[in-house]
Amino acid sequence: NAGVTQTPKFQVLKTGQSMTLQCAQDMNHEYMSWYRQDPGMGLRLIHYSVGAGITDQGEVPNGYNVSRSTTEDFPLRLLSAAPSQTSVYFCASTRTGGSPLHFGNGTRLTVT
Amino acid sequence: EDKVVQSPLSLVVHEGDTVTLNCSYEVTNFRSLLWYKQEKKAPTFLFMLTSSGIEKKSGRLSSILDKKELSSILNITATQTGDSAIYLCAYYSGGSNYKLTFGKGTLLTVNP
Repeated sequence: NAGVTQTPKFQVLKTGQSMTLQCAQDMNHEYMSWYRQDPGMGLRLIHYSVGAGITDQGEVPNGYNVSRSTTEDFPLRLLSAAPSQTSVYFCASTRTGGSPLHFGNGTRLTVT
Repeated sequence: EDKVVQSPLSLVVHEGDTVTLNCSYEVTNFRSLLWYKQEKKAPTFLFMLTSSGIEKKSGRLSSILDKKELSSILNITATQTGDSAIYLCAYYSGGSNYKLTFGKGTLLTVNP
């Protein structure tokens, strides 16, 4: 049972480039979310989805897009990378509200 | 604005010491409080607390919620170097967005 799988583990982008961070879960969880983690800032919610075809914004959504075409996958797209998006990104999923989130191992992104 | 405050932000102890980590929250609605441990990669779930005064325990770790004081503590007894990590506190306020709001974390370093 793989749980939550994120790819890539590391990525370096130049300002203005776009890319997609991949997230897949095999636990049949309805809820999936993306967080970013910056030093001294904790984990902040970017976007989330409560089921296939349903997405919504979190605290820090600007510069990111998401879609949820299947229960398993929840990719995060950076439209035009900026140095302020240098961070560690975590994808997480859970079965129901209030249940513990299961996290992926993260993607460390550097934008130069 | 709802928020979670953890203290201290960092702590250095020697093996064998007992530590207490604090989490206070100010939320409009409260359903549960969760603790996570984060070593090098993904946060891993420790405890979920919903009722005041009931201690949750796992080995040398324990946690308790005080709804009157809007706070929770995480205790670690007989610390080991493997306890070195960031400890994250988060609350869930209910609703369909399944959102967890995290504090900034406490960095615990246990020296041999």
